[in-house]
Amino acid sequence: QVQLVQSGAEVKKPGASVKISCKASGYTFTNYAMHWVRQAPGQSLEWMGWINAGNGHTKYSPKFQDRVTITRDRSASIAYMELSSLRSEDTAMYYCARVLVAGATLAFWGQGTLVTVSS
Amino acid sequence: EIVLTQSPGTLSLSPGERATLSCRASQTISSNSLGWYQQRPGQAPRLLIYGAATRATGIPDRFSGSGSGTDFTLSISRLEPEDFAVYYCQQYEGSPQTFGQGTKVEVK
Repeated sequence: QVQLVQSGAEVKKPGASVKISCKASGYTFTNYAMHWVRQAPGQSLEWMGWINAGNGHTKYSPKFQDRVTITRDRSASIAYMELSSLRSEDTAMYYCARVLVAGATLAFWGQGTLVTVSS
Repeated sequence: EIVLTQSPGTLSLSPGERATLSCRASQTISSNSLGWYQQRPGQAPRLLIYGAATRATGIPDRFSGSGSGTDFTLSISRLEPEDFAVYYCQQYEGSPQTFGQGTKVEVK
């Protein structure tokens, strides 16, 4: 069965960077895109970007374009999301999510990684 | 950016009742590009409906989606205890893809 297991919670200071991993199993990693979505406390979901796990092509939300980098390690079936220049407003749960087949229907989700930004 | 507006913000109902949730888009979107997700407290979202009306694998048939253009609806025919949660609509017609602000279905 499809599983996405994310790395553990992080506490960062303002201005720092965070890199979260998402290890995939139960399917051929390179056949599906992986998206990243975040959720601030008590708020809705916010799409950050996605990566074609096969060819590495990425697309980012304009809101995060200058600060986010999504990469993948095909051999290890891991996707990464790095967010730089952290500020308190970046405190949120970050999720990776695999598409159903194509497009952006997010059928499988990781358990989430809590990132807390605090001085 | 396409804005999705969900209503109501909170729906207070009893188990066994019918729930009707609305999602309105700021511009016309293709029915193929509208999804619904359920999120229970402390859990990741779960895909319920995609393509506006297709239930995801394992989703009970009490959940149904409908609509087109700018107006979409998620219906839950008879609420079970596990259905009390927050529901989000999502569009992936335009980039960036966006989510609505959510409708909380709570026990009356």
